[in-house]
Amino acid sequence: ILNVEQSPQSLHVQEGDSTNFTCSFPSSNFYALHWYRWETAKSPEALFVMTLNGDEKKKGRISATLNTKEGYSYLYIKGSQPEDSATYLCALLEMNKIIFGKGTRLHILP
Amino acid sequence: KAGVTQTPRYLIKTRGQQVTLSCSPISGHRSVSWYQQTPGQGLQFLFEYFSETQRNKGNFPGRFSGRQFSNSRSEMNVSTLELGDSALYLCASSLGQNQDTDTQYFGPGTRLTVL
Repeated sequence: ILNVEQSPQSLHVQEGDSTNFTCSFPSSNFYALHWYRWETAKSPEALFVMTLNGDEKKKGRISATLNTKEGYSYLYIKGSQPEDSATYLCALLEMNKIIFGKGTRLHILP
Repeated sequence: KAGVTQTPRYLIKTRGQQVTLSCSPISGHRSVSWYQQTPGQGLQFLFEYFSETQRNKGNFPGRFSGRQFSNSRSEMNVSTLELGDSALYLCASSLGQNQDTDTQYFGPGTRLTVL
């Protein structure tokens, strides 16, 4: 059974601090990994689509890396701001199946 | 460009009833995917429609069905509702050219409560 794990489940970070969290997945038959940000009372918003081992993507203060050989992706947030408070989801695409992790709930403390 | 819209936003039904949810994709998008979000299971893939055909399907019972119309609008139907069907149902649209790498744009969801 394909399983996508995200850690930690929840994270409290002081405003201005940088943070990162992990998405782990089985490394066989990898096709693509998606990262989403889901703010309360809003829709999930696509952040990155990652396909190649060693991929690094950046969008403002947020960046992500991918290691398909060892089966993980990191999401980094530099200089956290209150608007970064959200649940961050990763989703693995493998042979037309899409499996979401349970997410990392990020709380930014003022 | 207008985003993905879903109707209704909230719905209350009783066990045994059936329900139909609607999703209108972003103009030009030909793929619509449906997801179920529950606190225990997280976000789970139901099915994906492309050009009026179901292209992919998750592991849900046959009570969950869908269809897509020629204008790419999609409906999802759940028959013989159970208490466990209470969830947030999200749809997402994409261009549909590459199922693995297309960016998906999510709608606001329909919150279904089954009593």
